[in-house]
Amino acid sequence: QQKVQQSPESLSVPEGGMASLNCTSSDRNFQYFWWYRQHSGEGPKALMSIFSDGDKKEGRFTAHLNKASLHVSLHIRDSQPSDSALYFCAASADTNAYKVIFGKGTHLHVLP
Amino acid sequence: AQTIHQWPVAEIKAVGSPLSLGCTIKGKSSPNLYWYWQATGGTLQQLFYSITVGQVESVVQLNLSASRPKDDQFILSTEKLLLSHSGFYLCAWRDRGAGNTLYFGEGSRLIVV
Repeated sequence: QQKVQQSPESLSVPEGGMASLNCTSSDRNFQYFWWYRQHSGEGPKALMSIFSDGDKKEGRFTAHLNKASLHVSLHIRDSQPSDSALYFCAASADTNAYKVIFGKGTHLHVLP
Repeated sequence: AQTIHQWPVAEIKAVGSPLSLGCTIKGKSSPNLYWYWQATGGTLQQLFYSITVGQVESVVQLNLSASRPKDDQFILSTEKLLLSHSGFYLCAWRDRGAGNTLYFGEGSRLIVV
């Protein structure tokens, strides 16, 4: 069973709109999260990490973590066509663990 | 600044032939290094990680092996390729000073025919 579930599988938003991506860990041991973004043909690039309950904001990106439900979300405001990519949620048992599990990803399409 | 370089960029290989993919990181001493495999448009499957020279841990068995011959080099190989080995291979290093974030190379695309 996939330890890290992401939803939706695909998401389309208009340029300038808000995109909201979701991620849940099914293993209570995996409660440290990262978001990555991958453009076609490239390696994934890190967007942000979040380890504590609450919000973390970096520019147009805001992550929210609820440790009780092991749910993390990523919100992208003022979406741009260059934000169109595959977004991965990754989780680990602690910040020093060597095993990092990735979800199946959300395809984001920002429509001009 | 740290840089990570993977080679080759792409390969087309026959079933049963050998494979060697490489990864070099510059600007970081004693990095934790990782190999991931990705089917087209799919998730990232962790294959191996290495904490130090000469030490490699396997995460999943896919008839592949890895070695770390130098501090800045990580090699993925197999003696006999299978069709199922096709995909995108990604090397990454982990920055313990930046939330233990993984930084990936640009990947090596492998097509097995």
